[in-house]
Amino acid sequence: AQSVAQPEDQVNVAEGNPLTVKCTYSVSGNPYLFWYVQYPNRGLQFLLKYITGDNLVKGSYGFEAEFNKSQTSFHLKKPSALVSDSALYFCAVRANTDKLIFGTGTRLQVFP
Amino acid sequence: DTGVSQNPRHKITKRGQNVTFRCDPISEHNRLYWYRQTLGQGPEFLTYFQNEAQLEKSRLLSDRFSAERPKGSFSTLEIQRTEQGDSAMYLCASSLARGFQEQFFGPGTRLTVL
Repeated sequence: AQSVAQPEDQVNVAEGNPLTVKCTYSVSGNPYLFWYVQYPNRGLQFLLKYITGDNLVKGSYGFEAEFNKSQTSFHLKKPSALVSDSALYFCAVRANTDKLIFGTGTRLQVFP
Repeated sequence: DTGVSQNPRHKITKRGQNVTFRCDPISEHNRLYWYRQTLGQGPEFLTYFQNEAQLEKSRLLSDRFSAERPKGSFSTLEIQRTEQGDSAMYLCASSLARGFQEQFFGPGTRLTVL
């Protein structure tokens, strides 16, 4: 069965520092991976996806993610964090049907 | 705004009452999904449609839940005889059917069952 794990409930980082939000996955077959962000009282916003190809995927708002097949990971990264990046981040994997299976989320707090 | 819209945004009801939520997807999207999100959890899949056909239903979708997409455009999710455990955020998403397209989410309907 497909699953996603986000091992950190919260990540704290100072503004201007690099950030990493971790995600590991378990799938049978090829992994199709997504990152979404959720701001308070708003729906999930798509950030980026990995389907195939280059292991470093670039997305919206300066975010990128690194796919590592041997470690079954898909960590979200940003070189320089902004206070406005503070939000709830979800990693998801596309199941063998078309539904998404989400992790439990990681709250990112960026301090000025 | 051409994004996914959901109505109502908030619904408070008493246990045992029926509620219905509506989702209007992005106009050219032929796939429509419903998810449920409880506090501290990620969204959980409920069901999805391609055009008007309901292609998959989660085991979470008990017989009190029913979803329709009668003309392949908007969709409704009805919960009959609501229970306190139904309190959650109900999210709708839409996507194109080709390739591995990302899903675009609406703002959600927050249901509180008293």
